[in-house]
Amino acid sequence: QVQLVESGGGLVKPGGSLRLSCAASGFTFSDSFMSWIRQAPGKGLEWVSYISSGIAYTNYADSVKGRFTISRDNAKNSVYLQMNSLRAEDTAVYYCARYREGLFDPWGQGTLVTVSS
Amino acid sequence: IQLTQSPSSLSASVGDRVTITCRASQGIGTYLAWYQQKPGKAPNLLIYAASTLQSGVPSRFSGSGSGTDFTLTISSLQPEDFATYYCQVLNRYPLTFGGGTKVEIK
Repeated sequence: QVQLVESGGGLVKPGGSLRLSCAASGFTFSDSFMSWIRQAPGKGLEWVSYISSGIAYTNYADSVKGRFTISRDNAKNSVYLQMNSLRAEDTAVYYCARYREGLFDPWGQGTLVTVSS
Repeated sequence: IQLTQSPSSLSASVGDRVTITCRASQGIGTYLAWYQQKPGKAPNLLIYAASTLQSGVPSRFSGSGSGTDFTLTISSLQPEDFATYYCQVLNRYPLTFGGGTKVEIK
């Protein structure tokens, strides 16, 4: 079945970096757009970034532009989120999801990123 | 585009009819989706294109609306429906979610 599994979350100091990974299975990953969405503790959902299939066009929320980089490795059926210059307000559960025609479906189980000194 | 959901929370009993609204700050046609999120879990797609039920979603869920005003209706609330519901615009960047509506047990 379609499955997405995130990893790489953890505790990091402000200004630090972290790389999240999302391993996909059960669908043709190379043909799929992928996205990251985050949810701060007790808060709502915030779209972070997406990457297209093929030429790998990317797009970012203003809140992370210039600090986060999304990438993919079709040979490994994986999408990544490199997060630099992390701030306290980046603390959240980060979900990856398949992105198609504006929709996020399915979602992974999420990985928690905590930015704190 | 801003999406405003109301109410932010509600209490209801099993068997109740529940309606959640989502208002867009400008017209978005029918480019709207609804998600359900249970505590500690990832969101799950319920409805897209404002009124199309995702495969496997019970028929007690329905969506309607176009332009700026949308509704999610649960015709007869079941115990497994107690969750937070989010709307999302599909055709504008940045992709935006509503603030969420928490449905609690009365």
